[in-house]
Amino acid sequence: NAGVTQTPKFRVLKTGQSMTLLCAQDMNHEYMYWYRQDPGMGLRLIHYSVGEGTTAKGEVPDGYNVSRLKKQNFLLGLESAAPSQTSVYFCASSYLVGSGLGRLSYNEQFFGPGTRLTVL
Amino acid sequence: KQEVTQIPAALSVPEGENLVLNCSFTDSAIYNLQWFRQDPGKGLTSLLLIQSSQREQTSGRLNASLDKSSGRSTLYIAASQPGDSATYLCAVGPDDKIIFGKGTRLHILP
Repeated sequence: NAGVTQTPKFRVLKTGQSMTLLCAQDMNHEYMYWYRQDPGMGLRLIHYSVGEGTTAKGEVPDGYNVSRLKKQNFLLGLESAAPSQTSVYFCASSYLVGSGLGRLSYNEQFFGPGTRLTVL
Repeated sequence: KQEVTQIPAALSVPEGENLVLNCSFTDSAIYNLQWFRQDPGKGLTSLLLIQSSQREQTSGRLNASLDKSSGRSTLYIAASQPGDSATYLCAVGPDDKIIFGKGTRLHILP
């Protein structure tokens, strides 16, 4: 199994350009996540998905859009890139585990290798 | 708002020593706590996951404890090795509100 893969590994954009980051997992996981990691800020959740066709906002969703058309893929889009979006982006996936309390139950997350994005 | 703090930010210890990494959180109403390892330029690797109803988890030389009432978790690494050098992060759930600490950068001196 390849696990979680991310495409591309590196990208440089100019302000205002758009791009899509692709995350793919071959573990049949229900949950998928997009994070960004910035020096001094730690990892922050951008968007997540609890299944095919569903997405939801995380802690820092502004300026990003996502789609989950297939269970194994989770796309992160930047419609008009800004220098503040310079970051390392990580995708992760996990099993579906019900908490019985109407909230997501935290289960082991598997991370991709990351995409380093620079916006000039 | 949940805040997760890891102290120290960096730590250097000689090979063979036992060590403890600390993680504290402000809101005790967590679902779970997870410890990760991150190598430079790499993604995160899950080390241990403690459910909210559990007190500790063990895997090999690693032991993680959780005290929800005091808002603390510790990661104990026994007989440290140079290969343990990495950044260690803790994170508290639930998944849709997951908050990560900023990590402790660990360097094991040969």
